[in-house]
Amino acid sequence: EAQVTQNPRYLITVTGKKLTVTCSQNMNHEYMSWYRQDPGLGLRQIYYSMNVEVTDKGDVPEGYKVSRKEKRNFPLILESPSPNQTSLYFCASSFISGYPEFFGPGTRLTVL
Amino acid sequence: KNEVEQSPQNLTAQEGEFITINCSYSVGISALHWLQQHPGGGIVSLFMLSSGKKKHGRLIATINIQEKHSSLHITASHPRDSAVYICAVNTGNQFYFGTGTSLTVIP
Repeated sequence: EAQVTQNPRYLITVTGKKLTVTCSQNMNHEYMSWYRQDPGLGLRQIYYSMNVEVTDKGDVPEGYKVSRKEKRNFPLILESPSPNQTSLYFCASSFISGYPEFFGPGTRLTVL
Repeated sequence: KNEVEQSPQNLTAQEGEFITINCSYSVGISALHWLQQHPGGGIVSLFMLSSGKKKHGRLIATINIQEKHSSLHITASHPRDSAVYICAVNTGNQFYFGTGTSLTVIP
């Protein structure tokens, strides 16, 4: 089954404790991206990747890092999480650049 | 600043009604997207448009590039259409999203 998976689905952590949210797709897509969703603000793009080793900033990259060492994986790294990064995070992928065709199920992160 | 504006924010309809959701944008775009977010949170891509009109089942999406406006129409609405509909535009590889229109279809 074609899908985008994210782990964990839910995470409660404390300020400053490094964490990684994984994203994996099984469709051999080149384009992958990360978004956060907050009430009243909607979805905002954090980072995107056009292909392996090619990443670029979206609208709200501060406080986040990404890497794309393999085509299927695009982890989101929070080196020192802060409460303002409490949010619902989505990963997406597609064959077409700039088109979030397939979304992961979301990761709900709470930073205390 | 909001690059993408949607209206209405909330919409309640009776089953069977024709529904229109509007999206206006202020930037030059490569394409416009309509997404559906289910009550459980999952997001599904409905349409990608760069011109004209697309139809999928009871859903129709149109775009007017000159007026920087798009509409999503749902014909013969059904309670299972209840969801948040999100308009998004991409300028190259970057994305800007509207805050969504929450649709409730009452049986």
